[in-house]
This record gives sequence, C-alpha cells and structure tokens, in this order.
Amino acid sequence: GAVVSQHPSRVICKSGTSVKIECRSLDFQATTMFWYRQFPKQSLMLMATSNEGSKATYEQGVEKDKFLINHASLTLSTLTVTSAHPEDSSFYICSARISGTGTSPLHFGNGTRLTVT
Amino acid sequence: GESVGLHLPTLSVQEGDNSIINCAYSNSASDYFIWYKQESGKGPQFIIDIRSNMDKRQGQRVTVLLNKTVKHLSLQIAATQPGDSAVYFCAENMDQGGKLIFGQGTELSVKP
Repeated sequence: GAVVSQHPSRVICKSGTSVKIECRSLDFQATTMFWYRQFPKQSLMLMATSNEGSKATYEQGVEKDKFLINHASLTLSTLTVTSAHPEDSSFYICSARISGTGTSPLHFGNGTRLTVT
Repeated sequence: GESVGLHLPTLSVQEGDNSIINCAYSNSASDYFIWYKQESGKGPQFIIDIRSNMDKRQGQRVTVLLNKTVKHLSLQIAATQPGDSAVYFCAENMDQGGKLIFGQGTELSVKP
C-alpha cells in the first residue's frame, strides 16, 4: 500500500519551454504533498508543500512563478517548470502522507529526471 | 535552514559485517525522525522511524538510536548484505505541517 506514482520518469526539453510533472497517490488520499529537488550526489531539498484546494507553500529561495504547483484533487499534484533553463535540470521527487495519519512517514514517488538542453 | 549536501560521505563495509550510519539533525524541536534508503535513480524508501519520546527502536535487521542531547541519530544495519548498498538519509519532521527536512546522506557500499 501507500504507492506514489510520478510521470514522466524522464523528460528532455528545450530551453524556454515548460514541463509538467504529475504526482499521484494510487491507493490513498493525500491532503498534502511535498515536492523535492535533488542534484547529483546531494541530498533532497524541499521545494514546496502542495495543499489540496489551496495555494502551495514555497520554501525560501524557490520561485513560485517558475515552479507552478497545482493540487486539484486528493490524489493528484502537478509541478510545472516554466521557461526551463539548463540549471533547472535535476531530479524532481514528490511525496505524500496518508491523510489523517498525523506524524507518519512520507511516501515517495520514483522521481522525474528533467534535462533541459 | 535547509540541509544541503556537498559530496556524500561514503561507508564501505564487508558483507556480513554490521554497519553504523550517523546523522546530525538541526532542530532541537523536531519530534519525529525517519531513515530512508535511496537506490540509484529511484525515490527514497522508508526504513524505520522514531519519535522523540524514544531513544531506540528496532526493526528487522535495523536499529535506530536517537540522542536528543547532542541531536544525533544513528542507523545500525546488522549482517549487511550487497542489497543494502544505497544512499541512506535521515529526515526530521520540522513542524506541524509535517514537512521533512533531509540530512546530508551517506553512501553505503557493501563488498561481497
């Protein structure tokens, strides 16, 4: 149980274009989802907290107009990287916690490898 | 602030030996901690968790120790196997919103 699915797993796009990444909780509902970014050989850095039916909360230094988050339902959050640049190339990982479980583990998707050329 | 890794420290052990992976966390108010395992190209997988009212918790082949005095966590893996080779991260629950902040990570390499 508690499976989080991300799509696509890999994407290559040209500089200046936008890319949408989907994160779905397959067998549970998630009021809140979290988006992380990870550069090679580094830790996961929290980008934003995605809240179902309301605006996302962004971490300091993360541009909300560049990384658009939409959490339209209890099982789907999307991250859109707008006007992508090569420095946005990274591994983006979403996670979710089963609603109503309080303090409990986050379940992670398998990430999306974004390469901007 | 956020934890930003530079280069991952590496731990190399022989198959069958016990491994100990350490982590320093940042916030003395953090009340919940998790260890994750991340294999190459995948998302983190849950290993074991511990709440701040405990100092030790055991799972199958794994034990987590929490020392709140010095803000230190450790993960012990018994009889390490080649399949344990991965990067291990500790994460702390920072606030009521439930967001997890990750530590630097340690790359575990198991030699057969």
